[in-house]
Amino acid sequence: AQSVTQPDIHITVSEGASLELRCNYSYGATPYLFWYVQSPGQGLQLLLKYFSGDTLVQGIKGFEAEFKRSQSSFNLRKPSVHWSDAAEYFCAVGIKAAGNKLTFGGGTRVLVKP
Amino acid sequence: ETGVTQTPRHLVMGMTNKKSLKCEQHLGHNAMYWYKQSAKKPLELMFVYNFKEQTENNSVPSRFSPECPNSSHLFLHLHTLQPEDSALYLCASSQEATSSYNEQFFGPGTRLTVL
Repeated sequence: AQSVTQPDIHITVSEGASLELRCNYSYGATPYLFWYVQSPGQGLQLLLKYFSGDTLVQGIKGFEAEFKRSQSSFNLRKPSVHWSDAAEYFCAVGIKAAGNKLTFGGGTRVLVKP
Repeated sequence: ETGVTQTPRHLVMGMTNKKSLKCEQHLGHNAMYWYKQSAKKPLELMFVYNFKEQTENNSVPSRFSPECPNSSHLFLHLHTLQPEDSALYLCASSQEATSSYNEQFFGPGTRLTVL
């Protein structure tokens, strides 16, 4: 079965600094990859997705992610963090053969210092 | 209303109560999902409905009973819950297609507390 690992439970970053969130997945083929963000008390909002093609994908709110097949990774980045980026971020894997199911990582909580 | 809505947003219930969570999607999708988000665990898929038929039950206890009367509405009926069932319950929807994979859109969730 597929699995998703987000090694960092918490990350604290200063406003204006860069941010990188790590995601590793385990699956025999290339899955569909997603990053979602969850603000306190809210549901999940899709930031970006990778299905195929260019391995660097752009998302909303200035985020981007890079798919690296050799490392089974799909890390999320933002060059300059804003205070409103404080939230929890989830990496997820979708496998078409398993229906439209998503498997989520444990999440990374991002705190932004002024 | 747009997107995926869930009601109520907050629910407190005793272990002997019966309550229902409601989800409605306004996106024209044909698949709907219930997820459980606990403090200490990753998001867990509970149920999947495609074209109103349940296609997945992820070993969920029978005290949780889903219902999907049409492709826009999804319910989660709750009875005889335990305190460990306290969690955020998220509903999602997507457009299921045989030839493509489509992302899921999530509602804001219902925060459930079982006393």
